[in-house]
Amino acid sequence: DQQVKQNSPSLSVQEGRISILNCDYTNSMFDYFLWYKKYPAEGPTFLISISSIKDKNEDGRFTVFLNKSAKHLSLHIVPSQPGDSAVYFCAAESNTGNQFYFGTGTSLTVIP
Amino acid sequence: NAGVMQNPRHLVRRRGQEARLRCSPMKGHSHVYWYRQLPEEGLKFMVYLQKENIIDESGMPKERFSAEFPKEGPSILRIQQVVRGDSAAYFCASSPGLLSSYEQYFGPGTRLTVT
Repeated sequence: DQQVKQNSPSLSVQEGRISILNCDYTNSMFDYFLWYKKYPAEGPTFLISISSIKDKNEDGRFTVFLNKSAKHLSLHIVPSQPGDSAVYFCAAESNTGNQFYFGTGTSLTVIP
Repeated sequence: NAGVMQNPRHLVRRRGQEARLRCSPMKGHSHVYWYRQLPEEGLKFMVYLQKENIIDESGMPKERFSAEFPKEGPSILRIQQVVRGDSAAYFCASSPGLLSSYEQYFGPGTRLTVT
């Protein structure tokens, strides 16, 4: 049962444009959400997070938006750079547990 | 580099053999998490450990898999009598403590191939 879903396996964006990665979840008990970035042959690297008490969190070029009523979050990268090309995983944590639930990832390619 | 270390990075085992995966957490971190990534899937939680304690093993298969995090030394994920379906990337993450479980830092992973 996939409680966190990333329905777009891949995304291509021109350098300088905005990249929007989407994530949906089903469990209303999730109260903390994170985005991880992963390069080949490396472990995931934490990128940005958001608590369920907020609807937006910004860190430099990265902004995460949370829509609790729609159980949807998105990661915006502006402007996109070739070095942003990687697989992005959305993750969620429940207020009742210790584990993260990960989506299947979206492979972002930023074209120079 | 004081990051999370995992070894070996690549492990090949024949069916029926045992696989031992090691994880050394970041300095000062006492909590370790193991995840498995199967082809075309996201990371799936397996187990959460503190030193000498298993806190949550709800993601661990009931048979053949075990994990430990001794007082001294790395955390070990042990898979007995491996089967082809165990082929996957196994990632370890560590965090400073229970209240900081949000901060999970991942190692580079061990890619297990069962032939």
